[in-house]
Amino acid sequence: AQSVSQHNHHVILSEAASLELGCNYSYGGTVNLFWYVQYPGQHLQLLLKYFSGDPLVKGIKGFEAEFIKSKFSFNLRKPSVQWSDTAEYFCAVNGGSSASKIIFGSGTRLSIRP
Amino acid sequence: DTEVTQTPKHLVMGMTNKKSLKCEQHMGHRAMYWYKQKAKKPPELMFVYSYEKLSINESVPSRFSPECPNSSLLNLHLHALQPEDSALYLCASSQAGVGQRNTEAFFGQGTRLTVV
Repeated sequence: AQSVSQHNHHVILSEAASLELGCNYSYGGTVNLFWYVQYPGQHLQLLLKYFSGDPLVKGIKGFEAEFIKSKFSFNLRKPSVQWSDTAEYFCAVNGGSSASKIIFGSGTRLSIRP
Repeated sequence: DTEVTQTPKHLVMGMTNKKSLKCEQHMGHRAMYWYKQKAKKPPELMFVYSYEKLSINESVPSRFSPECPNSSLLNLHLHALQPEDSALYLCASSQAGVGQRNTEAFFGQGTRLTVV
């Protein structure tokens, strides 16, 4: 069965610091990969997605992620965070015969100090 | 219109009550989902409907009963719930149906359910 691991449970950064959140998935077939963000009191929003092609994908609000197939990873990055990036970040995956099952990682809470 | 609309936003119900959660999308999406999210936890998949047919049930207790009246609507009927069922219930939709890839899910704001 497919699964997603996010190793950073809570990350605290100062404004302007660089960000990298880890995401690893376990699935041998072709997958779709997503990063969703959930701001306090708001619904899940898609930050970016990878289906195929260029493994470096750019999303909204200056976020990007790199798909490294050999490492089964899809880490999220941002060169300079802002206080407004404070939120919960979820990596998600679907693929193969479970194409409609979008499975979420445990989430990383990001706190930005102003 | 890229919205998934859920009603009500908040619901408090007793353990003997029957209530329903509603979800609507007008994006022509063929798959619709129910997720359950407890505080500080990721969303957990409950049900998937594809082309208005139930295609995935993640071993959800029968006190939760989904219904898809048409391609734009998804309901979740609740009966005899337990306090531990209190959570945020999220509806989502995506363009592709079961077995099709390359699709993302759009989420509603959720219904905050409290069972007393």
